[in-house]
Amino acid sequence: GQQVMQIPQYQHVQEGEDFTTYCNSSTTLSNIQWYKQRPGGHPVFLIQLVKSGEVKKQKRLTFQFGEAKKNSSLHITATQTTDVGTYFCAPYDPNDYKLSFGAGTTVTVRA
Amino acid sequence: GAVVSQHPSRVICKSGTSVKIECRSLDFQATTMFWYRQFPKKSLMLMATSNEGSKATYEQGVEKDKFLINHASLTLSTLTVTSAHPEDSSFYICSASSIYGYTFGSGTRLTVV
Repeated sequence: GQQVMQIPQYQHVQEGEDFTTYCNSSTTLSNIQWYKQRPGGHPVFLIQLVKSGEVKKQKRLTFQFGEAKKNSSLHITATQTTDVGTYFCAPYDPNDYKLSFGAGTTVTVRA
Repeated sequence: GAVVSQHPSRVICKSGTSVKIECRSLDFQATTMFWYRQFPKKSLMLMATSNEGSKATYEQGVEKDKFLINHASLTLSTLTVTSAHPEDSSFYICSASSIYGYTFGSGTRLTVV
């Protein structure tokens, strides 16, 4: 598997504000997946990024894959209380078919 | 989409007993399933890769005799925590890969008393 560092670990956001969480690797990644885990729940697949410089949007969520395929980011605009949870980036290694997880960014929202 | 069913969702057992957790792919076949462990407020740690019809591949530091994995069919993998101790208390989650990507079970919260 491949290791990534995810920052920040915690993100306290005022409702309506934007924030970004980052995922960094020292090695080139084949692809990166993002998951959301609500408190008490299980990880739910959000998106997969494969191409260098790729940008994908899901409503208020924007996912980016760096040009060098060593970093990725998730940007959420106009944060809502439904965005509460932990967001994990997870690199997939095609060499061993393993999906590893970053430490996650736990998001709380102030109404 | 792909659905992975995991049972039980919660289990409390006495120290020294064994607990079996089942993971089923409901609408697709999964030759490979993965077992993760998650401590409170921590990330998911891959424990082992379960391969249908063959032995599981364990990650470094995971005791294969403690965590027995069986993948007897293309839709079922089981994790048995043998001789459980309080330090085995954790959230265990399985996942399987399909054309829709990785799908996770709902997890099993194990408490050993």
